Amino acid sequence: SQKIEQNSEALNIQEGKTATLTCNYTNYSPAYLQWYRQDPGRGPVFLLLIRENEKEKRKERLKVTFDTTLKQSLFHITASQPADSATYLCALGLFPGGQNFVFGCGTRFSVLP
Amino acid sequence: GAVVSQHPSWVICKSGTSVKIECRSLDFQATTMFWYRQFPKQSLMLMATSNEGSKATYEQGVEKDKFLINHASLTLSTLTVTSAHPEDSSFYICSAQGQYNEKLFFGSGTQLSVL
Repeated sequence: SQKIEQNSEALNIQEGKTATLTCNYTNYSPAYLQWYRQDPGRGPVFLLLIRENEKEKRKERLKVTFDTTLKQSLFHITASQPADSATYLCALGLFPGGQNFVFGCGTRFSVLP
Repeated sequence: GAVVSQHPSWVICKSGTSVKIECRSLDFQATTMFWYRQFPKQSLMLMATSNEGSKATYEQGVEKDKFLINHASLTLSTLTVTSAHPEDSSFYICSAQGQYNEKLFFGSGTQLSVL
């Protein structure tokens, strides 16, 4: 069966440390993968997109990797700050430029001061 | 980034009432809009996909007569929850996508509570 799983329901980390969130999928062949941030009671906000032929993408303190062999994406937040606390969702884009997305359940991430 | 406005943010209504939620793309043309439902601590559950000017495509298990979707223009889609019941209480979120744009821009969500 097709599945998309994010590593843990919740992840706590000390301020200043680097956090790694994982997104694993089975029986999908996504054209790209996206990461979104969602704050409580709000809609998700787009962070990064990485395509199947890309290994790594960076944006400020964020880094995403995509391993289509392992069927896994890693999302890194370096020098974590309390303001980074949120739920992070990964989403598979099933077709280029298309309309088919599958979202993971999210990881609730908290940075402790 | 592109802005999607969703209204209202909160709705509390009596059972049997119909509720309309609006989703507007403010600075781009949204060829496709999506409607999701989200329960606490759970992921987004896609309800339907709508393209401007055509009928919405509903996901399996979503009643089209219960959740009416209209996408009459490139900047506006509405979701009407008809004859709402307590089990319809949930967080509803829209997202919009421009043509050939793979990013999704989300509204801020609507928390519906049916008494």
